[in-house]
Amino acid sequence: QLQLQESGPGLVKPSETLSLTCTVSGGSISRSSYYWGWIRQPPGKGLEWIGSIYYSGSTYFNPSLKSRVSISVDTSKNQFSLKLSSVTAADTAVYYCAVMTGSTEFDYWGQGTLVTVSS
Amino acid sequence: QSVLTQPPSVSAAPGQKVTISCSGSSSNIGNNYVSWYQQLPGTAPKLLIYENNKRPSGIPDRFSGSKSGTSATLGITGLQTGDEAEYYCGTWYSSLSAYVFGTGTKVTVL
Repeated sequence: QLQLQESGPGLVKPSETLSLTCTVSGGSISRSSYYWGWIRQPPGKGLEWIGSIYYSGSTYFNPSLKSRVSISVDTSKNQFSLKLSSVTAADTAVYYCAVMTGSTEFDYWGQGTLVTVSS
Repeated sequence: QSVLTQPPSVSAAPGQKVTISCSGSSSNIGNNYVSWYQQLPGTAPKLLIYENNKRPSGIPDRFSGSKSGTSATLGITGLQTGDEAEYYCGTWYSSLSAYVFGTGTKVTVL
């Protein structure tokens, strides 16, 4: 059974870059057909998909965040990472990593990590 | 602002049934599978229904999903206090090559 764990700074200053890593255990991040993703949830609000990376390296991003987002995979560490640049207070949220192992559903999720953007 | 619309809240007494709707368009629900997620307070979302009406292992058959045209529905029968949570639909938005979640529905057990 796959397990995902987010890690990274809990506090980021405005205009800086938010960087998070998701460590995967219980399976290989290089597994064919898996689709790794990042989702966030501002306090008291709903879920927002940030973007995903396919096992082949292809990436897809939320159009509203596309200009500020990058997602990459490190197969040697069995991790994938999120970078969100030029952050503002509006980027304060719980950030989740998740994976689609089947068709188009996120079936495994990390526990989430709160990132606060503040000076 | 999400392109998938859900009612903000639904409620019913223990043992009763609730249904939650998720309304979209031909670019998302109409041509893609719908999933449903349950988010208990303070926890990560959990997959409840996938491919419109399938339940992952361990999800009781009190939870059911259906899809018709550009809308999907989640049903919960035999409502329990442990079902109090936020529920989200989700699907692929083909023309944007993006995944979208619904606005979320809070289920309250009276």
